[in-house]
Amino acid sequence: DVKVTQSSRYLVKRTGEKVFLECVQDMDHENMFWYRQDPGLGLRLIYFSYDVKMKEKGDIPEGYSVSREKKERFSLILESASTNQTSMYLCASSFETSVDEQFFGPGTRLTVL
Amino acid sequence: GQNIDQPTEMTATEGAIVQINCTYQTSGFNGLFWYQQHAGEAPTFLSYNVLDGLEEKGRFSSFLSRSKGYSYLLLKELQMKDSASYLCAVNDYKLSFGAGTTVTVRA
Repeated sequence: DVKVTQSSRYLVKRTGEKVFLECVQDMDHENMFWYRQDPGLGLRLIYFSYDVKMKEKGDIPEGYSVSREKKERFSLILESASTNQTSMYLCASSFETSVDEQFFGPGTRLTVL
Repeated sequence: GQNIDQPTEMTATEGAIVQINCTYQTSGFNGLFWYQQHAGEAPTFLSYNVLDGLEEKGRFSSFLSRSKGYSYLLLKELQMKDSASYLCAVNDYKLSFGAGTTVTVRA
């Protein structure tokens, strides 16, 4: 069974703080993704990575950065958290981008005060 | 840009059939996914269509018409556990998701 884990289920931070969200997958998948999910907007892709040290911008990368130093781990970084970054953050991984399903982690509910 | 539309909410009775439509206008197309997401949980894969036609998997079927930019997910013999959000996602080198359709199954 593919397992995608995220470091926290719930997180509360203050405006201006630097926030790290960690994601780990155990199936040797090449590809990893970070989404945010907001009511009425669905899942929106923030960043993705096809290989270690590789990253590509998704649809809404502003205010975020990522790091992939190891194949199994993909980190999302909020350099200076703002209230409009309050959201559910979902990490996913897949073997190949085009045809393989993505496996999602349980999500991190981030609240920025 | 990507434009993926699906109804916001649907309600149906246990044992009935529900069809969730998804229309899309995207710059590229390499297939269409359907995911199920129960409240507070991660999305899980249901189906993937890359060619026109119907794909059947037990009580769930998914249909694709590429020329019409249209797909539907058909849920048969509805059960209470099918109450969830259903997400349509177009594969265009990366996934673009619709906002999701919340299905409520009533006894």
